[in-house]
Amino acid sequence: RKEVEQDPGPFNVPEGATVAFNCTYSNSASQSFFWYRQDCRKEPKLLMSVYSSGNEDGRFTAQLNRASQYISLLIRDSKLSDSATYLCVVNRGSGNMLTFGGGTRLMVKP
Amino acid sequence: GAVVSQHPSWVICKSGTSVKIECRSLDFQATTMFWYRQFPKQSLMLMATSNEGSKATYEQGVEKDKFLINHASLTLSTLTVTSAHPEDSSFYICSAPRDSNYGYTFGSGTRLTVV
Repeated sequence: RKEVEQDPGPFNVPEGATVAFNCTYSNSASQSFFWYRQDCRKEPKLLMSVYSSGNEDGRFTAQLNRASQYISLLIRDSKLSDSATYLCVVNRGSGNMLTFGGGTRLMVKP
Repeated sequence: GAVVSQHPSWVICKSGTSVKIECRSLDFQATTMFWYRQFPKQSLMLMATSNEGSKATYEQGVEKDKFLINHASLTLSTLTVTSAHPEDSSFYICSAPRDSNYGYTFGSGTRLTVV
């Protein structure tokens, strides 16, 4: 089983749609969780950290379920510019090392 | 703030040659630098962790004699791909941790093509 698993997609959605991604992690000792966005041939960029109580940043909402060991990302009112690969990232539970999920590709169509 | 400058952005080299990739932290001290590799349509895979002033820690399956890592100062970490082969062609990217709220700062990546 992979440490961090994501549905690779692609998710093809029209502009304005709401789309949700899920991610599961295997290390119950993990403490830090992030969603990163990666555009083609570019470095990943932090989209948002994920907190236990859930958090929102504009059109983006992240939630964490520690009991089930999954993380979600909800994107409302999708824009064309949201098209990218979204990476679920989890620390290994000790130290600073991160484990990346394989990413979920989103394509927003006009 | 917290920028990691990585270069070169892309490089094409012949089989058998060595390529050095540099990552510099521009406005903070990076005591730790993570080096990742990403093949097309795959996830970032951690290759090694470099710590300033000590030997790098390599992930299982990564040859330390092939991927030489040096972290001689708090602002510079280098990865040298020695005797490169076409299968080493990949996207190499470095990352330095910031804090638990802000995640990690990534370099812009180096696309290596070995011909």
